[in-house]
Amino acid sequence: EAGVTQFPSHSVIEKGQTVTLRCDPISGHDNLYWYRRVMGKEIKFLLHFVKESKQDESGMPNNRFLAERTGGTYSTLKVQPAELEDSGVYFCASSPLSGTPNEKLFFGSGTQLSVL
Amino acid sequence: AQTVTQSQPEMSVQEAETVTLSCTYDTSESDYYLFWYKQPPSRQMILVIRQEAYKQQNATENRFSVNFQKAAKSFSLKISDSQLGDAAMYFCAYRSFQGAQKLVFGQGTRLTINP
Repeated sequence: EAGVTQFPSHSVIEKGQTVTLRCDPISGHDNLYWYRRVMGKEIKFLLHFVKESKQDESGMPNNRFLAERTGGTYSTLKVQPAELEDSGVYFCASSPLSGTPNEKLFFGSGTQLSVL
Repeated sequence: AQTVTQSQPEMSVQEAETVTLSCTYDTSESDYYLFWYKQPPSRQMILVIRQEAYKQQNATENRFSVNFQKAAKSFSLKISDSQLGDAAMYFCAYRSFQGAQKLVFGQGTRLTINP
C-alpha cells in the first residue's frame, strides 16, 4: 500500500514567487492535515480537511497561504507570494475517518521549501 | 492552549547503552494522548510510541518505553540497547482525546548514536 506522498521533495524559489505543494494521502483516508516546521522550531499545525471540506484552518499563518482539496483526494498548498519566513519543511498527514479517537496518523516525508 | 516542551536540543549515547529523552507538557484537559515520533534523515515521520492519559501503565514497544507522570505532566522516552538506526530527530507530541488529530509538537531532540 502506498504511503502519504508529497512533492516536490525540495523547492527553492525567490521571494515574491509562487509555489504549490502537493500531498497525496493514503487512498481512502478522508482526514488530511498540513503541518510545517519553520527555522528548526516545533512542528506546527496548519489545517485539517475532512474530505474536501476545511474542518479547521486555525493554524494558517496568513492569507498568502491557500489550501485546497478538490474532490476530497489530493491536496495542494499554495504560497503566494512567498516570503523568507515561509522557508521550512511542510508535512502532510492522513488518516481514515473511523470515528475512533485512537486512529493512527500517517505522515509524508515533507517538502523542504527554501525561499531566497 | 496546550504546549509541549523538549528541553534537550541534542543528545548522544553510545551504541548498546540506554538514553532518556525528556518531554513536558501543559494542559488543562484530563484526557489526552501523548506520542513520540521519530524523524530519520529521510524525513519520514514515524510513530514510535503512544500513551493514553487515562492509562496508568507506561506504554512499551520493544526497546522503547515511556515514563508517564501525569501529575507532573512529564512524558519521557527511554531507548534501551541503542542502535545506530535509532539516530534521528525525536518529537514529543500531544493530542486532545476528543476531536481531530491536531497534534501539538515539541521542538525536537536530535539523537546521535556513537559506535
